Amino acid sequence: DTGVSQNPRHKITKRGQNVTFRCDPISEHNRLYWYRQTLGQGPEFLTYFQNEAQLEKSRLLSDRFSAERPKGSFSTLEIQRTEQGDSAMYLCASSLGGSLNTGELFFGEGSRLTVL
Amino acid sequence: AQSVTQLDSQVPVFEEAPVELRCNYSSSVSVYLFWYVQYPNQGLQLLLKYLSGSTLVKGINGFEAEFNKSQTSFHLRKPSVHISDTAEYFCALISSSGGSYIPTFGRGTSLIVHP
Repeated sequence: DTGVSQNPRHKITKRGQNVTFRCDPISEHNRLYWYRQTLGQGPEFLTYFQNEAQLEKSRLLSDRFSAERPKGSFSTLEIQRTEQGDSAMYLCASSLGGSLNTGELFFGEGSRLTVL
Repeated sequence: AQSVTQLDSQVPVFEEAPVELRCNYSSSVSVYLFWYVQYPNQGLQLLLKYLSGSTLVKGINGFEAEFNKSQTSFHLRKPSVHISDTAEYFCALISSSGGSYIPTFGRGTSLIVHP
């Protein structure tokens, strides 16, 4: 399978704990995006990378959230000191960059976080 | 600022009936428009997109959408739905100016097809 892969698919944690999600994009895609989706809502943009550079962050991304893409391949999204309001589906997507970019994103199946 | 409005949170329809899912957008610049579908327990996948050219765009699974600049709309249609079309549908836009190419999504419309 050469699609976007996310791990873990489900994570249940207690309030105050740290969690980390991993995303492996399609190998030739140099853009990688993180979105958050809550029940009844569409995906909300969090941040995106072009290669290893984090180029834009949403105001939704509080200082408890950090994302990395150290070698321009896989990415991690860490949430520190989780709160119940962080419960959501975290979506990763990738796309081609530059002149090859048609705007289409390729999504993973998401990582569902439940904070108790 | 740009935004996408999907007025219908849920659309129930009988199998083999036609369906239209509405999408309106707001943007001060030209846009690219997309429809994505999310089947249960699966990731979002692209149904169709409008970048330029013909305003009637055909996508996968028999869906089509029409870009109407004066109405700022991009409604999705299918002449005859199947049970398997039951899913969540998201309209999205990208501003064609600037280089960030970050899609903004609507809240989604749940299409429920009844036998």
